[in-house]
Amino acid sequence: KNEVEQSPQNLTAQEGEFITINCSYSVGISALHWLQQHPGGGIVSLFMLSSGKKKHGRLIATINIQEKHSSLHITASHPRDSAVYICAVSRETSGSRLTFGEGTQLTVNP
Amino acid sequence: DTGVSQNPRHKITKRGQNVTFRCDPISEHNRLYWYRQTLGQGPEFLTYFQNEAQLEKSRLLSDRFSAERPKGSFSTLEIQRTEQGDSAMYLCASSFFPETRGNGYTFGSGTRLTVV
Repeated sequence: KNEVEQSPQNLTAQEGEFITINCSYSVGISALHWLQQHPGGGIVSLFMLSSGKKKHGRLIATINIQEKHSSLHITASHPRDSAVYICAVSRETSGSRLTFGEGTQLTVNP
Repeated sequence: DTGVSQNPRHKITKRGQNVTFRCDPISEHNRLYWYRQTLGQGPEFLTYFQNEAQLEKSRLLSDRFSAERPKGSFSTLEIQRTEQGDSAMYLCASSFFPETRGNGYTFGSGTRLTVV
């Protein structure tokens, strides 16, 4: 079992829909990261969370430390949101290097 | 500062050749990381530096792989005697440590290696 699990693996939505991507982890962490990767490889850091909730534009990230679960929400989705979204954690025992989930491929159709 | 820069963007090499990649991190960041990503998978940790000290190497990093960060600024990752299984995207990232300083990681665009 992977230490970081994401669901769903693939998600197709219509433009304007509300989208949720989930992440569960099984280890102690110092922070959880949501990352976005477009075709061609570049990774952009969206959020770093250690508790509660953060919002940036149409993106919202929440984390429940007790349940070891995080969600990434996209409101009013747009085709330009199409990308791979990756959940990653910094483990308490390993400093700040990241352990990654396998990613969620999001496709938003116009 | 223009972010994390990686060179080259693409590298095609013949099996058995040596290759070297370069990463220039954000200048204020004290940590630099190398990850490897194969198609359809999440990135895997290879090694990281705090300033010029290499603090950890993954078991994934065989003796053919070596990384340096000689002055605590840019880093190089060298692969000797490349094999087809080395074909992957090699990602560099930098950050502040401890994480409470700064805004998390900044990733480079990666170097895509193809071994033929």
